[in-house]
Amino acid sequence: AQKVTQAQTEISVVEKEDVTLDCVYETRDTTYYLFWYKQPPSGELVFLIRRNSFDEQNEISGRYSWNFQKSTSSFNFTITASQVVDSAVYFCALTPSNDYKLSFGAGTTVTVRA
Amino acid sequence: SQTIHQWPATLVQPVGSPLSLECTVEGTSNPNLYWYRQAAGRGLQLLFYSVGIGQISSEVPQNLSASRPQDRQFILSSKKLLLSDSGFYLCAWMGKRGGEQYFGPGTRLTVT
Repeated sequence: AQKVTQAQTEISVVEKEDVTLDCVYETRDTTYYLFWYKQPPSGELVFLIRRNSFDEQNEISGRYSWNFQKSTSSFNFTITASQVVDSAVYFCALTPSNDYKLSFGAGTTVTVRA
Repeated sequence: SQTIHQWPATLVQPVGSPLSLECTVEGTSNPNLYWYRQAAGRGLQLLFYSVGIGQISSEVPQNLSASRPQDRQFILSSKKLLLSDSGFYLCAWMGKRGGEQYFGPGTRLTVT
């Protein structure tokens, strides 16, 4: 069975601050995918990134960056120079590469104040 | 490109009334389809998933049911709604090659 833990329930920052969201996972599978999703106040979940378990290269996309460390079973997400539009709930998720179902973390609510 | 539609966007129903939520996907064939529920301020709970027409797997026993009458249509139903059925219902699809799921805009259901 898979388990995803997002220990941070809520994070509040002032605009332009950096914010890092933690994600720790448990799985017995040797190959798997990790994901991050954003859920803005409108409610729709927006896919942000997928990372394969065999690819530990960190990734940067604009102000977003992801740090995947297999040794510590973590897949952390950093928003640099946060903006009010980054206010949302962010979910980390995991699936074995041969499975159909995602295991989601409980989510972290990020509030960026102007 | 692929798109996923859900309707209605919002729904207010009395306890004991029936429910039918519809989800359709465009631009892909033979997708895996999913129904999730999100209670207010909570995480995502997988309710049903389907890997093909007429194939439904239930994750949580409850008074809801799902059907997949066509390849890209997924329907969530109930014969008699309970107060506890209130929540935000999200439909999602995933390609057969696996990986990420893509979500619809959701239906906000309030049972009164």
